[in-house]
Amino acid sequence: SQKIEQNSEALNIQEGKTATLTCNYTNYSPAYLQWYRQDPGRGPVFLLLIRENEKEKRKERLKVTFDTTLKQSLFHITASQPADSATYLCALDTRNSGNTPLVFGKGTRLSVIA
Amino acid sequence: DSGVTQTPKHLITATGQRVTLRCSPRSGDLSVYWYQQSLDQGLQFLIQYYNGEERAKGNILERFSAQQFPDLHSELNLSSLELGDSALYFCASSVARERAQFFGPGTRLTVL
Repeated sequence: SQKIEQNSEALNIQEGKTATLTCNYTNYSPAYLQWYRQDPGRGPVFLLLIRENEKEKRKERLKVTFDTTLKQSLFHITASQPADSATYLCALDTRNSGNTPLVFGKGTRLSVIA
Repeated sequence: DSGVTQTPKHLITATGQRVTLRCSPRSGDLSVYWYQQSLDQGLQFLIQYYNGEERAKGNILERFSAQQFPDLHSELNLSSLELGDSALYFCASSVARERAQFFGPGTRLTVL
């Protein structure tokens, strides 16, 4: 069956460290993958999109990698700050394996401790 | 501010009732998506409209229906409401499928 799994429900790290979040998928062949940030009670906010032919994408302190062989994406936040505390969602395009435009993982709740 | 607006912000109603949620997409976006988010299920795709036509359908119950109007705003109709329909309902819009989706603030529906 098709699955998207984000490494853990919650991740706690010290301020200043690099946070690494994982998104694994099975039985999908996504043309691209997106990462979103969601704060409690609010709508998700788009962060980055990476295509299947791109290995890495960066935006300020954010970095995303996409390995279609491992079927995995890693999302890094460097020099993390308490303001980075939120839930981070990965989302797959499923055009090659379904009709749903994007399928979202359940998210990882990141807490950055000062 | 994403540019996507949703009304109402909160809705409290009783089982068996019918409600309508409204969404206005960002200026220029032709695609509108509806999602349901509950604590145990995560963000579940319901339905997508593109320029007034249904484009994709997800896990949308038969009791739910949606439409997109000529001015591109969209409405999600939920009928014969059950306790389990209590959730956050989000609308999102995008320029095209392979682009970022911009989410509205959501409508929190509580069915008592």
